[in-house]
Amino acid sequence: ETGVTQTPRHLVMGMTNKKSLKCEQHLGHNAMYWYKQSAKKPLELMFVYSLEERVENNSVPSRFSPECPNSSHLFLHLHTLQPEDSALYLCASSQGGQNTEAFFGQGTRLTVV
Amino acid sequence: SQQGEEDPQALSIQEGENATMNCSYKTSINNLQWYRQNSGRGLVHLILIRSNEREKHSGRLRVTLDTSKKSSSLLITASRAADTASYFCATDPPSNSGYALNFGKGTSLLVTP
Repeated sequence: ETGVTQTPRHLVMGMTNKKSLKCEQHLGHNAMYWYKQSAKKPLELMFVYSLEERVENNSVPSRFSPECPNSSHLFLHLHTLQPEDSALYLCASSQGGQNTEAFFGQGTRLTVV
Repeated sequence: SQQGEEDPQALSIQEGENATMNCSYKTSINNLQWYRQNSGRGLVHLILIRSNEREKHSGRLRVTLDTSKKSSSLLITASRAADTASYFCATDPPSNSGYALNFGKGTSLLVTP
């Protein structure tokens, strides 16, 4: 248990559905991240939040919409996804700054049908 | 790309043997980190080595860093079946705000009894 909790662990959704992924950390970290992990690809950084402000957005399609209501919670709102969006979505947190490690949640396995 | 690239992509050894994985990257870094991922789960931080360090140990893990060659290696000694996992290197470049790590595709390690 790393202190970062993601729900749900598994999600199957149709292309017309709207769903949200949730991430929660109680490590006192000030930065939170969403990563996408697809088979045989490096982890892709999607969004970075620092002190609840989005500081990085790596050209992610608008069908993915992040929300960070406070420093402990991070959401990824999903709508009108495509089958190629099926992947493991990982949330992470860190203290920010240099020479700090990232703590990852267990991930949400998303399947778009 | 700043992403680290691990080598080999896959490694199969027997219990008791040593496992060595390599990571190469392209630009200067602030630090390099190694993570482990069990199948379909989150990443777990193993070790961080700073750019001014050349070697670091943690239990059965030994990490080296050669900034002149822009490479790092992870050695797992006396491997166990429980070491079966994917191993990723991640770089934290100095130009970065210090928030987001860049990951490679990983090395898949299989340790057979």
